[in-house]
Amino acid sequence: GAGVSQTPSNKVTEKGKYVELRCDPISGHTALYWYRQSLGQGPEFLIYFQGTGAADDSGLPNDRFFAVRPEGSVSTLKIQRTERGDSAVYLCASSLTSGGRDTQYFGPGTRLTVL
Amino acid sequence: AQKVTQAQTEISVVEKEDVTLDCVYETRDTTYYLFWYKQPPSGELVFLIRRNSFDEQNEISGRYSWNFQKSTSSFNFTITASQVVDSAVYFCALSENTNAGKSTFGDGTTLTVKP
Repeated sequence: GAGVSQTPSNKVTEKGKYVELRCDPISGHTALYWYRQSLGQGPEFLIYFQGTGAADDSGLPNDRFFAVRPEGSVSTLKIQRTERGDSAVYLCASSLTSGGRDTQYFGPGTRLTVL
Repeated sequence: AQKVTQAQTEISVVEKEDVTLDCVYETRDTTYYLFWYKQPPSGELVFLIRRNSFDEQNEISGRYSWNFQKSTSSFNFTITASQVVDSAVYFCALSENTNAGKSTFGDGTTLTVKP
């Protein structure tokens, strides 16, 4: 079956601009996660959804970051007033449920570059 | 707080050598889950294995084996008879039962297998 997909694969923007990153999870997976990966580091948790609601958003770095999942499937990560420090690969993952036991399957990521 | 440490930043071996990647974790939960992921140069994280805290049986899958020891809070990964295609960054991750959905990753070990 189809895996997690993310669009765009690459996004270049200028400092101060607004960007949206999209994630389409594996069909039937109720939990969806966003991570950020900087060069030479492991993925860093941002937020996760169980269904339509954000169950844990403790990893969002500040209020410029926001994510939605209005119908419990596709999710959009939104970044306002982008800064150069936001440059990273943004990874999306999904799992059958949100229990810690469930394996998270990752998408290919969106590489965001803020000039 | 949960933490994962992969002390080996980079490892280089010659093809057919055995190699062990170390992972040490910290958690206050009695129920937790450990994972290994592979990130090849293409960038997508590939799930390799999941282990529950209450199951200390070691596991072997082809050339891969995992040694889970609760007494030392370690979950090490061994590749036997390494191949050039094993070259990748390998990440160890931890999910706590009480913090469902929030996986913590180590910073990864870059494995280079030379022909």
